[in-house]
Amino acid sequence: QKEVEQDPGPLSVPEGAIVSLNCTYSNSAFQYFMWYRQYSRKGPELLMYTYSSGNKEDGRFTAQVDKSSKYISLFIRDSQPSDSATYLCAMSGGAQKLVFGQGTRLTINP
Amino acid sequence: EAGVVQSPRYKIIEKKQPVAFWCNPISGHNTLYWYLQNLGQGPELLIRYENEEAVDDSQLPKDRFSAERLKGVDSTLKIQPAELGDSAVYLCASSLGTGELFFGEGSRLTVL
Repeated sequence: QKEVEQDPGPLSVPEGAIVSLNCTYSNSAFQYFMWYRQYSRKGPELLMYTYSSGNKEDGRFTAQVDKSSKYISLFIRDSQPSDSATYLCAMSGGAQKLVFGQGTRLTINP
Repeated sequence: EAGVVQSPRYKIIEKKQPVAFWCNPISGHNTLYWYLQNLGQGPELLIRYENEEAVDDSQLPKDRFSAERLKGVDSTLKIQPAELGDSAVYLCASSLGTGELFFGEGSRLTVL
């Protein structure tokens, strides 16, 4: 079993929809949780960074962490075609050793 | 401010040939990472440097892979000899030690 599980999709939604992306993990030592966005043939870019449990909002993006369930989510409101990309969850226990999920490929249809 | 720079962006070689990838991290970033990303998968850590010291190379296949970070700035990742299964994207990332990684665009390797 992988430390971090993420549904690879693909996920296709119409423009303007709310998108929900999720990851589960098994290592209870994880404290730092991140979401990266990766466009085709580009490197991942950091989207959201949260510590421990709770919510964090940045514009149209909201990250949620539920440590009791070992479950993290990323919500995208008013999705745009430019949000079409692969979204990678990543987490670490503080030793800077980031463990990534498989990535979810998302397409927003105009 | 310039981001993480990697070269070459694309490389095609025959199996058993050597190949090297170069990375220039963001200025001032003391931590440097090399990740391997296979198609449809998330990045997997190969090696992490703190300044010049390799502090985590447990996932680096040392029989054919080697890396160095001279003077604690630029880094080179080498594969010798390359195998068909090494075809992947090799990503370099750097950070200030906060855990927030900044990635380069990657070097895409195809081994024929």
